[in-house]
Amino acid sequence: EVQLLESGGGLVQPGGSLRLSCAASGFTFNNYGMNWVRQAPGRGLEWVSGISGSDGSTYYADSVKGRFTISRDNSKNTLYLQLNSLRAEDTAVYHCAKASFFLTMASPFDFWGQGTLVTVSS
Amino acid sequence: DIHMTQSPSSLSASVGDRVTITCRASQGINNYLAWYQQKPGKVPKLLIYAASTLQSGVPSRFSGSGSGTDFTLTISSLQSEDVATYYCQKYNNAPRTFGQGTKVEIK
Repeated sequence: EVQLLESGGGLVQPGGSLRLSCAASGFTFNNYGMNWVRQAPGRGLEWVSGISGSDGSTYYADSVKGRFTISRDNSKNTLYLQLNSLRAEDTAVYHCAKASFFLTMASPFDFWGQGTLVTVSS
Repeated sequence: DIHMTQSPSSLSASVGDRVTITCRASQGINNYLAWYQQKPGKVPKLLIYAASTLQSGVPSRFSGSGSGTDFTLTISSLQSEDVATYYCQKYNNAPRTFGQGTKVEIK
């Protein structure tokens, strides 16, 4: 059974930093791309970042480029998102999501974690 | 970047009605289009990928069509358990943008 468990969220001041983690199990982690998707309270889904399973290529939404960094440790089956220079508009639940298709980022997302809440406020 | 526009933003229909949601891409994306269902308080669930392929376990009353820039999600006979917000998403390349969502309610 595929499981994705996020952690690391919390309350942080504007300009601060957080590191989110997503522990994965139930599939061969390094064979699949992984993504972060966020959802602000009462709002829609926003794709934030993705990383390939094979060569570690990374991708970012314009809204977070230069501030957020995605990474993965295939030996620990864990996905990360480093959030720097946080703004009030980054407040959201952050979900990790697994790419459905083997060895390609051109894939929908078939499994989602429950998410971790990041609140940016003074 | 390609923008994804859904319509309507919300709808109310009766149980048994046929419901159609439209998603338009600002540029062609071939058939790299997915539909998700998000029930209140739950994580999104993949319904359809490649514009028209039903994900395993999804009821056959859901169907998708389209290619290029115009896509449709159809619920052939709306059920009470279909109350949710539905999102389209392009996934051919980054950014893997979602539409703004369509909230479906029962009349």
